[in-house]
Amino acid sequence: EVQLVESGGGLVKPGGSLRLSCAASGFTFNDAWMSWVRQAPGKGLEWVGRIKTTTDGGTTDYPAPVKGRFTISRDDSKNTLYLQMDSLKTEDTAVYYCTHGYSILNYFDYWGQGSLVTVSS
Amino acid sequence: DIQMTQSPSTLSASVGDRVTITCRASQSISTWLAWYQQKPGKAPKLLIYKASTLESGVPSRFSGSGSGTEFTLTISSLQPDDFATYYCQQYDTYVTFGQGTKVEIK
Repeated sequence: EVQLVESGGGLVKPGGSLRLSCAASGFTFNDAWMSWVRQAPGKGLEWVGRIKTTTDGGTTDYPAPVKGRFTISRDDSKNTLYLQMDSLKTEDTAVYYCTHGYSILNYFDYWGQGSLVTVSS
Repeated sequence: DIQMTQSPSTLSASVGDRVTITCRASQSISTWLAWYQQKPGKAPKLLIYKASTLESGVPSRFSGSGSGTEFTLTISSLQPDDFATYYCQQYDTYVTFGQGTKVEIK
């Protein structure tokens, strides 16, 4: 059974940093392109970025709202995905989901339960 | 960036109704489109990918169609478990989601 379990969420002040982790099991993690998707309270879904497999270069892509502030990384030895969030803004307040991308396609067949990040003074 | 626009934003329907949700892309995305269902407090669930392929385990009352810039999600006979919010997502160029369509009880 595929499981994605996020951790590390919480309350942080504007301008602060936070790192989320996603522990993966039930599939071959090092073969998976992984993404983060967030959802602000009462709002829709927003893609936050992805990381390719190490074999495919381990490269990352980010949308404009988080580029330069967020960094996705992976530790294949620990089957863990990370999201480092710096220079946080109040508009980054959201539930952050770890997602498994199907093959090299960017649709998401498995999702974690989500981790709430609140940016507030 | 590719923009995705869903309509309607909210849909009121009764059990047994046929329901159709539309998703439009700002440029052609071929059939690189997925649909998700989300219930309050839960993670989204994949329903359909490649515009019309049903994910394993998803009831056959769900269907998807379209290509290029116009897509539809149809629920042939709405069931009580189907009241939820539905999102389309393009994966032709990176990822963009539609704003969502809430299907509520009439």
